[in-house]
Amino acid sequence: SFEMTQPPSVSVSPGQTATITCSGETLGEKYICWFQQKPGQSPVLIIHQDFKRPSGIPERFSGSASGNTATLTISGTQAMDEADYYCQVWDYDTVIFGGGTRLTVL
Amino acid sequence: QVQLVESGGGVVQPGTSLTLSCAASGFPLSNYIIHWVRLAPGKGLEWVAGLSYDGYSRYYADSVKGRLTISRDTSKNTVYLEMSSLRPEDTGVYFCTRVVGTPHYMDVWGKGTTVTVSS
Repeated sequence: SFEMTQPPSVSVSPGQTATITCSGETLGEKYICWFQQKPGQSPVLIIHQDFKRPSGIPERFSGSASGNTATLTISGTQAMDEADYYCQVWDYDTVIFGGGTRLTVL
Repeated sequence: QVQLVESGGGVVQPGTSLTLSCAASGFPLSNYIIHWVRLAPGKGLEWVAGLSYDGYSRYYADSVKGRLTISRDTSKNTVYLEMSSLRPEDTGVYFCTRVVGTPHYMDVWGKGTTVTVSS
C-alpha cells in the first residue's frame, strides 16, 4: 500500500523558516494536502492541491511539490505554529496520511 | 454555520460495540462525502472509513474492515460509525470530516469524540 515518509521532528527558531518534507513513491502523481494539529484540537487544513491555501490561513504557510517529495514551508515561524503537521493524499477513494512531524519553535 | 459535531464515545471493554455519531449543521450531508479519522494516543492521524456523497459506496481501512460500518441518516443529517469487536488498539479520538473539491480535500472537521477500549 502507498506510504509517505515525514521527519518525526523539526525544530526552528522564532522568525526563521521551517521546512517539513513528505516523500513517497509516485507521490508526484498525487495532489498533496497538509494539516496542522495542536494538542487537544482537531486538524486544520492549511494547504490543498499541493500549494493552495484556504481562506484564513496565513501567507507564511506555503506548499510545493517536486518529483516524489512535497514540502511545507513556514516563513517567519511564530510560537503559535508549534504543532504536529501531516501530509495527506488520496489513493483512489481512501485516505493516506504521512506519519506526522512535530514542529518545535525554540 | 457549517459544523460537524461528534458524539457517542466512551469507555468500553474489548470485544464490545459502540456507535459514534457525526451531526452536521449548516449544510446537507446528502451532498457531501464524509470520512472518519482517528488519533490514537502517541500516534499519528489514521484514516478509518469514508462514505460517498450518495451514501452507496463505503470505504474502510484494512485495520477496521469487517468490524466498523459507516452509514448515514439524511433525515437527521447525521453520519454514524458502528464499531464492533472493539480492540485496545481502537482507542483514540475519532473525528469526522467533510470532503469537498476536485481534487478532494477535507475542509471541515469536528472536535472529536474519545473512545477508550480497556478491560
